[in-house]
Amino acid sequence: EPEVTQTPSHQVTQMGQEVILRCVPISNHLYFYWYRQILGQKVEFLVSFYNNEISEKSEIFDDQFSVERPDGSNFTLKIRSTKLEDSAMYFCASSTRGTAYNSPLHFGNGTRLTVT
Amino acid sequence: AQKVTQAQTEISVVEKEDVTLDCVYETRDTTYYLFWYKQPPSGELVFLIRRNSFDEQNEISGRYSWNFQKSTSSFNFTITASQVVDSAVYFCALSGVPPSPGGGADGLTFGKGTHLIIQP
Repeated sequence: EPEVTQTPSHQVTQMGQEVILRCVPISNHLYFYWYRQILGQKVEFLVSFYNNEISEKSEIFDDQFSVERPDGSNFTLKIRSTKLEDSAMYFCASSTRGTAYNSPLHFGNGTRLTVT
Repeated sequence: AQKVTQAQTEISVVEKEDVTLDCVYETRDTTYYLFWYKQPPSGELVFLIRRNSFDEQNEISGRYSWNFQKSTSSFNFTITASQVVDSAVYFCALSGVPPSPGGGADGLTFGKGTHLIIQP
């Protein structure tokens, strides 16, 4: 069964450094998402992406964050200058249609980001 | 604003017992979608079910069943004859129909999750 893949599985970076988290969504999916989960807490929506632009973003997704679909397969999340509080598990997800059309999100296994 | 409440932080039962995970939601949308996801110790999020607000039929899938009650804004999840492999964090999530022209690429609002421990 096709799946969403994320790399790396674990990323350690120093505060202030830029980090790029990579995702390969399921190939026929059109909607892409990033979520994060701070350790022991709930999963929080960051951003959704459709038709090569951001469709929706949360308050968490400030100017330090950006997303890109540089080619036909990858979907990346960049954090420009990491802070300690950015340490979390970051999940990428994709769906054939948006969640409003009864289309479930398929999540990747996540990238654990540790900012030291 | 949308909100999902999973009041049970942690539940521990002995294998083969039935267990119900509660989910209460708040939304102003007349059309919305409810989801359950499982997060095993390995960390990934596994889709279990989605239900739209117009379909109040309960659903059963093997040992899993879901009870959607619009009158009480609840979407509870029951595991019958629980097994050790059911041990995980279970998240309830909600999605409304977005007003944006993006056509549905909206985010899910998750509850805080219920940590289910099945003891052998």
